[in-house]
Amino acid sequence: GAVVSQHPSRVICKSGTSVKIECRSLDFQATTMFWYRQFPKKSLMLMATSNEGSKATYEQGVEKDKFLINHASLTLSTLTVTSAHPEDSSFYICSAKNGQEDATEAFFGQGTRLTVV
Amino acid sequence: AQKVTQAQTEISVVEKEDVTLDCVYETRDTTYYLFWYKQPPSGELVFLIRRNSFDEQNEISGRYSWNFQKSTSSFNFTITASQVVDSAVYFCALSVLYSSASKIIFGSGTRLSIRP
Repeated sequence: GAVVSQHPSRVICKSGTSVKIECRSLDFQATTMFWYRQFPKKSLMLMATSNEGSKATYEQGVEKDKFLINHASLTLSTLTVTSAHPEDSSFYICSAKNGQEDATEAFFGQGTRLTVV
Repeated sequence: AQKVTQAQTEISVVEKEDVTLDCVYETRDTTYYLFWYKQPPSGELVFLIRRNSFDEQNEISGRYSWNFQKSTSSFNFTITASQVVDSAVYFCALSVLYSSASKIIFGSGTRLSIRP
């Protein structure tokens, strides 16, 4: 099956620094990738839809300048948490859809656990 | 607007018992997909099933079965003869567009604990 790789799986950073999370589709081209955030014992909340070659579409309430998304190629999308603060600590998961096949099935990365200290 | 409701926050049963996880969805679209995902403690999402809105046939896969009823907008998931390894958080989800840009809306999840 299709594989989506997310890196890093865990990251601890100091408050005020920026952190970049990568999401790669390993064996298919993904014109669209999605970024989700999950608080402890909560559901996955969609943050933004990342479109290759264009600006990301953010969900209501998500700060665009805080969570920078870049989808520069058909296999890579990045999420940068800028000037991270402890409240940004969370589990971030990306997903990608294969533009060439049945587009309704999304493949998820392993997730990134971000801890801001 | 689309919405997925999983009313059961947590369920705990003894191993070998059968357990059903409820899922109720809302959408005005006639074409949509429903999903179930499993999230073990490691955090990754494990895809279990996808069902489109035109296929109301129930499905069985080993100890897992799914009951899709459009009349009640429900897509319930049953685990038969549960095992400790089934312990995880289970998410029901909905996607409403046939396109690569369609997003998946998740329910709040049900935390299932299987006691030995």
